[in-house]
Amino acid sequence: EIVLTQSPATLSLSPGERATLSCRASQSVSSYLAWYQQKPGQAPRLLIYDASNRATGIPARFSGSGSGTDFTLTISSLEPEDFAVYYCQQRSNWPRIFTFGPGTKVDIK
Amino acid sequence: EVQLVESGGGLVQPGGSLRLSCAASGFTFSSYDMHWVRQATGKGLEWVSAIGTAGDTYYPGSVKGRFTISRENAKNSLYLQMNSLRAGDTAVYYCARSFYGDYGSYFDYWGQGTLVTVSS
Repeated sequence: EIVLTQSPATLSLSPGERATLSCRASQSVSSYLAWYQQKPGQAPRLLIYDASNRATGIPARFSGSGSGTDFTLTISSLEPEDFAVYYCQQRSNWPRIFTFGPGTKVDIK
Repeated sequence: EVQLVESGGGLVQPGGSLRLSCAASGFTFSSYDMHWVRQATGKGLEWVSAIGTAGDTYYPGSVKGRFTISRENAKNSLYLQMNSLRAGDTAVYYCARSFYGDYGSYFDYWGQGTLVTVSS
């Protein structure tokens, strides 16, 4: 089973700063990785899929990169609404299991 | 507009059963794989089950043999039958739609969730 780890657990930044979040897979997942944003009391929202493609309606300040085992979500300039928890996700082919990372909380410094 | 609305959550005793429902609208339900994902209070996301368009089902080890996912395309509805419930199953349960990129499968639309509490 592939395990995803995320770092840091918490990232304290100010609006306008750049956020860099990491997700590492225990074995190669090629480009099969997504990023989600979740705000308190809300369902998660798909931000990035296939490691680097923005989902529909996602602002250009969100970008994803990486392949294999190391992935990065970058928020180029934090807006007030970007303070949230971010999860990465992948699916193994056999057994067919979907897994999420433990999350990174981006909070206001 | 795509909408997913879960229902059926509530308080149940350990060892008990509960059936969750998800009403889908705004898309051709029968053409999409569907999922259940849960989240315990203050914790991360955990995928619980998936069902394909052909009715094929998938589960993680934590719920396999206890939970059953099903769908009724004529009613645009997704279900999760949960048996032998444990305290560790306490969570908000989300219904989610599958989205396929070039490389893999993700979750592009989510419901608002329904809370399941397992306690005596």
